[in-house]
Amino acid sequence: AQSVSQHNHHVILSEAASLELGCNYSYGGTVNLFWYVQYPGQHLQLLLKYFSGDPLVKGIKGFEAEFIKSKFSFNLRKPSVQWSDTAEYFCAVRRNSGGYQKVTFGTGTKLQVIP
Amino acid sequence: DTGVSQDPRHKITKRGQNVTFRCDPISEHNRLYWYRQTLGQGPEFLTYFQNEAQLEKSRLLSDRFSAERPKGSFSTLEIQRTEQGDSAMYLCASSPGLAGGPYQSSTDTQYFGPGTRLTVL
Repeated sequence: AQSVSQHNHHVILSEAASLELGCNYSYGGTVNLFWYVQYPGQHLQLLLKYFSGDPLVKGIKGFEAEFIKSKFSFNLRKPSVQWSDTAEYFCAVRRNSGGYQKVTFGTGTKLQVIP
Repeated sequence: DTGVSQDPRHKITKRGQNVTFRCDPISEHNRLYWYRQTLGQGPEFLTYFQNEAQLEKSRLLSDRFSAERPKGSFSTLEIQRTEQGDSAMYLCASSPGLAGGPYQSSTDTQYFGPGTRLTVL
């Protein structure tokens, strides 16, 4: 079964610092990859997704993620964080092997941005 | 707004009682999913519908859990004889899928509702 690992459970950064959140998955075949964000008191929202093509994916609010197949990784990055980026971030993976495949989520990383 | 909605947002119940949650997906989304999320964890898949057909159930979904989507629109999740271990956030998501034809995972994206937080005393 596929699994997703998010290495950092809690990250604290000052505003304007650069962000990189790690995500590794275990499935060796073709995958779809997602990052979701959950702002305080709000529901899960899609930040960005990778299906195929350019491994560098740009999402909303200045976030981007890079798919490195050889490392089974899909790390999330942002050059300069803002206080409003304080949220919990979830990486998710789905096998792309035909038919329905469920999405598996990581345990999440809580980001706290200090003004 | 036509996002995914869930009702109620919060439910407190006593152990042994039955509870039912409702999910209204984004209109015209063929696929609907239920997840459970506990503290410190990501969402865990429970079950999935394509239109009115329930096509997959997780082993997390014990016999006390039942989900329906009778007309292929809204869905309900019922938990019978609740236990304290059922306390969690129950999330619903929907995705466009395709109107008929084989499922194409390569372009399907799930959109989540606000969740129902269940507390079993």
